[in-house]
Amino acid sequence: GQQVMQIPQYQHVQEGEDFTTYCNSSTTLSNIQWYKQRPGGHPVFLIQLVKSGEVKKQKRLTFQFGEAKKNSSLHITATQTTDVGTYFCAGRKGGGFKTIFGAGTRLFVKA
Amino acid sequence: GAGVSQTPSNKVTEKGKYVELRCDPISGHTALYWYRQSLGQGPEFLIYFQGTGAADDSGLPNDRFFAVRPEGSVSTLKIQRTERGDSAVYLCASSEGLAGGYNEQFFGPGTRLTVL
Repeated sequence: GQQVMQIPQYQHVQEGEDFTTYCNSSTTLSNIQWYKQRPGGHPVFLIQLVKSGEVKKQKRLTFQFGEAKKNSSLHITATQTTDVGTYFCAGRKGGGFKTIFGAGTRLFVKA
Repeated sequence: GAGVSQTPSNKVTEKGKYVELRCDPISGHTALYWYRQSLGQGPEFLIYFQGTGAADDSGLPNDRFFAVRPEGSVSTLKIQRTERGDSAVYLCASSEGLAGGYNEQFFGPGTRLTVL
């Protein structure tokens, strides 16, 4: 089963509101990646975080990796209708290649 | 260049039949992953190839599932004696495979498998 928990499962926002999704692992992760999947599409890579406490920004998107490397978050400022989709976190443990995906947070944006 | 391609895009089969799903990775990508994704879930890891070898097959659910990558490029996922529970979208992803695997994965469009 999934070992990376992601909340919330769904989020409905009004365009212009902020949005945050959280990812939690029971064990330390060597890295965390974030992907976006549009309805009917396939996952598309957004960012990778590797260092403890790392923060990266992409325009309106801010990604954080926790100090203990067990949790991560994605924050979108002032959502737009183009942000609609499902956001997945994906992590790896130790030196392995197995990538474990969270169940995703589906974002709905109302214009 | 072209992205990751997968064929067929849809496959409908009957319970008990054998199926093969094909993945053409991005040219030059040495790392290749297979996942399956059920509705409302994240991709579930099946197997990882580095070159021709399966470096991690710990996600294959049972011995009915097998994957090959004989020449280090195209990969085929093979499912024997299909069951209704195998119905899902099977995704393939490739990456450059450098830096210990810390590379973005490029996903294909997937094959939607339906077992009747």
